Amino acid sequence: KQEVTQIPAALSVPEGENLVLNCSFTDSAIYNLQWFRQDPGKGLTSLLLIQSSQREQTSGRLNASLDKSSGRSTLYIAASQPGDSATYLCAALPIYNQGGKLIFGQGTELSVKP
Amino acid sequence: ETGVTQTPRHLVMGMTNKKSLKCEQHLGHNAMYWYKQSAKKPLELMFVYSLEERVENNSVPSRFSPECPNSSHLFLHLHTLQPEDSALYLCASSQGQGGRYNTEAFFGQGTRLTVV
Repeated sequence: KQEVTQIPAALSVPEGENLVLNCSFTDSAIYNLQWFRQDPGKGLTSLLLIQSSQREQTSGRLNASLDKSSGRSTLYIAASQPGDSATYLCAALPIYNQGGKLIFGQGTELSVKP
Repeated sequence: ETGVTQTPRHLVMGMTNKKSLKCEQHLGHNAMYWYKQSAKKPLELMFVYSLEERVENNSVPSRFSPECPNSSHLFLHLHTLQPEDSALYLCASSQGQGGRYNTEAFFGQGTRLTVV
């Protein structure tokens, strides 16, 4: 059974810092891993999708990496801004399931202070 | 704008009411999903529809009844809910081929449901 864990649960940093959010998963048999952002009371916004054959993806100040052998993914945010404050969720898509059932971690709540 | 629209955004209902949540996707995807997000818990999959057929029902109580009339629309019919069903209900869509739904998933803004 696939389990996804995100550490830390909450993180507070001053504006301008570079930071890393961690995501670990127990079963390496995944199609892909996806990172999302969620603002309070809102839906999920897809940030980056890494296919199982890829090692990393980049979008603007965001870089996500994937190491299937160790069951880890990281989301790197460069030069953080107050507008980056949100909850960041990672989700793994297991190979052995019906449909496209994503397995989510509990999220990291990020606060970037001006 | 993610291409997935949910209505209503907020809903308050009594335990004896019947209501429906609506989801529409404009992405041309062939799979749609209902997820539930309760406070302090990871998102949980409720239902998956692929090509308008339900492919997974994740042990959801019968007071939740999904309907997928076509590949662009998904409903969640609610009746005789309990206060513990209060949560954020999220709809998502993705594209599948040959039984694999391994493309990027897009989510709606969610419906905040409160059962009183």
